[in-house]
Amino acid sequence: AQTVTQSQPEMSVQEAETVTLSCTYDTSESDYYLFWYKQPPSRQMILVIRQEAYKQQNATENRFSVNFQKAAKSFSLKISDSQLGDAAMYFCAYRSVYGGATNKLIFGTGTLLAVQP
Amino acid sequence: DGGITQSPKYLFRKEGQNVTLSCEQNLNHDAMYWYRQDPGQGLRLIYYSQIVNDFQKGDIAEGYSVSREKKESFPLTVTSAQKNPTAFYLCASSTQRTGLNAEAFFGQGTRLTVV
Repeated sequence: AQTVTQSQPEMSVQEAETVTLSCTYDTSESDYYLFWYKQPPSRQMILVIRQEAYKQQNATENRFSVNFQKAAKSFSLKISDSQLGDAAMYFCAYRSVYGGATNKLIFGTGTLLAVQP
Repeated sequence: DGGITQSPKYLFRKEGQNVTLSCEQNLNHDAMYWYRQDPGQGLRLIYYSQIVNDFQKGDIAEGYSVSREKKESFPLTVTSAQKNPTAFYLCASSTQRTGLNAEAFFGQGTRLTVV
């Protein structure tokens, strides 16, 4: 069974600085998706970034980028030029690309990010 | 606008009552999911469904039931057997297809409180 682990329950960063959130996962599959979601105090889940495992190039979305290490099963999120609005809970998630009744979306336990002015 | 809608936003349940949380999507997604989130915690999977008339238990299915009679709808019933139902519940949907838009879309959640 697949698992997702986020080992940092809380992180803090100064405004305008860079922070990296860690995520590791375990799977026997060769192709899958990885995601980072943001959950602000409103509790609405917002997709931050998506990575397809067959793509070697790391995904980027403006100030957000990932370091995807497939062999190490690591998927960290880097937030550059941190802003106050980045303060939120961040979740790492995994989904298989293969269909079928048991294909499910699995989340880590989350990292609460505080941004200090 | 396409999206996923949960209702109600807040729900109060008396001890021993069953309550049903609604989740509707108009994104034409095959897959739908229910998650439970406790304060300061991650998302734990309750049930999921990849196709109409079929669903699978997640990690914490005890005390919950679901149905998937229509592609658009995946209601969750919290039964009296669920001993600690107070939590925030999130519904999500996603396509089964690969490629772009593989991510899940979420509703705004339902906050259930036992009174």
